[in-house]
Amino acid sequence: SQQGEEDPQALSIQEGENATMNCSYKTSINNLQWYRQNSGRGLVHLILIRSNEREKHSGRLRVTLDTSKKSSSLLITASRAADTASYFCATDNSGGYNKLIFGAGTRLAVHP
Amino acid sequence: EAGVAQSPRYKIIEKRQSVAFWCNPISGHATLYWYQQILGQGPKLLIQFQNNGVVDDSQLPKDRFSAERLKGVDSTLKIQPAKLEDSAVYLCASSSLAGGHEQFFGPGTRLTVL
Repeated sequence: SQQGEEDPQALSIQEGENATMNCSYKTSINNLQWYRQNSGRGLVHLILIRSNEREKHSGRLRVTLDTSKKSSSLLITASRAADTASYFCATDNSGGYNKLIFGAGTRLAVHP
Repeated sequence: EAGVAQSPRYKIIEKRQSVAFWCNPISGHATLYWYQQILGQGPKLLIQFQNNGVVDDSQLPKDRFSAERLKGVDSTLKIQPAKLEDSAVYLCASSSLAGGHEQFFGPGTRLTVL
């Protein structure tokens, strides 16, 4: 079963614009992670936010977590054509076993 | 450091045939995962190993899928017999007990069942 649901399913923007993707989940979590997948490739870890954190930054990425609403958002600022990929949120509620449940992903297209 | 290696990259088989995938995790990573990713969906965990023991195989269709991790290093995932709905990308990932929660993914094996 898939715990996380991303919104929107697809997003198309111009280079330089910001991209915001949202993730909702159902049960309490230990942490939430965001991964990127380029077409035909494996997934690459972007950022992890723990259940007791509210916001994290990494370069052009900003992740927020609202445990009361069971939701997270990923913001990519000043997007580039190279950011074109699918983005997945994954939740860990396995109590230390590092077992992830992935959402269906958001397909981001950044046009030059 | 070398990443997670998988082979083959692509495989096409007829239904009812068998197929095997191989994964070599990052050196020293104790935890190894096999995921199934159907087109347009997120990865679904099939089985998780810690060293050579199974941590979770609750979503592995055990009537046709099997996996092993000999000596706590390489792993193989087998499907026998394959069904049309097994067409997917099979991803292997590994993580370090000491390295936090990040999972490192291989490039995947794209399986097409005709």
